[in-house]
Amino acid sequence: DAGVTQSPTHLIKTRGQQVTLRCSPKSGHDTVSWYQQALGQGPQFIFQYYEEEERQRGNFPDRFSGHQFPNYSSELNVNALLLGDSALYLCASSYYNEQFFGPGTRLTVL
Amino acid sequence: QKEVEQNSGPLSVPEGAIASLNCTYSDRGSQSFFWYRQYSGKSPELIMSIYSNGDKEDGRFTAQLNKASQYVSLLIRDSQPSDSATYLCAVLLGGGADGLTFGKGTHLIIQP
Repeated sequence: DAGVTQSPTHLIKTRGQQVTLRCSPKSGHDTVSWYQQALGQGPQFIFQYYEEEERQRGNFPDRFSGHQFPNYSSELNVNALLLGDSALYLCASSYYNEQFFGPGTRLTVL
Repeated sequence: QKEVEQNSGPLSVPEGAIASLNCTYSDRGSQSFFWYRQYSGKSPELIMSIYSNGDKEDGRFTAQLNKASQYVSLLIRDSQPSDSATYLCAVLLGGGADGLTFGKGTHLIIQP
């Protein structure tokens, strides 16, 4: 049974560019949450998708947007990249309370 | 503002001893509590979840919850060098329709 998968593994962008990150949830899971983890910090909640709609959102600007597809996979889009957006972006899937993380996408903004 | 506090460490424990990791949280409405282990350069891995007051044991791990004191802990018995990692405490407010609030993590070092 495949766990949560994310692509790409690493990404390098320059300031002002846009990026799209992808996530496929664990089989049987219908909810996808996205987190940003800066170095030395715990993950910070960005938003959660359920039934193709954004259900909850953390304290992140509108530059961060997302989408969930009918097969429960999800995308995270970040527009107008800033240097401070450099971080590990984590996707977590869940059916109820327990959230399981994918391997993450390391984004570097130059 | 929901907050989760952990001592960042490093916490150094001899091999074979008990490692004790602590976490406090600010929101009394919190319902679900989790411990994740994160190795350097890797993503968090769920190791324990606890929902009601008391102890929950799973192998060498025991999670303890005291909602009155807003306190969660994780005990690791017979600590092994492979337990060396950052341990993240996470709290969920409602019944799943919310994001996890994480502490900054405690860096645990098991000394051989």
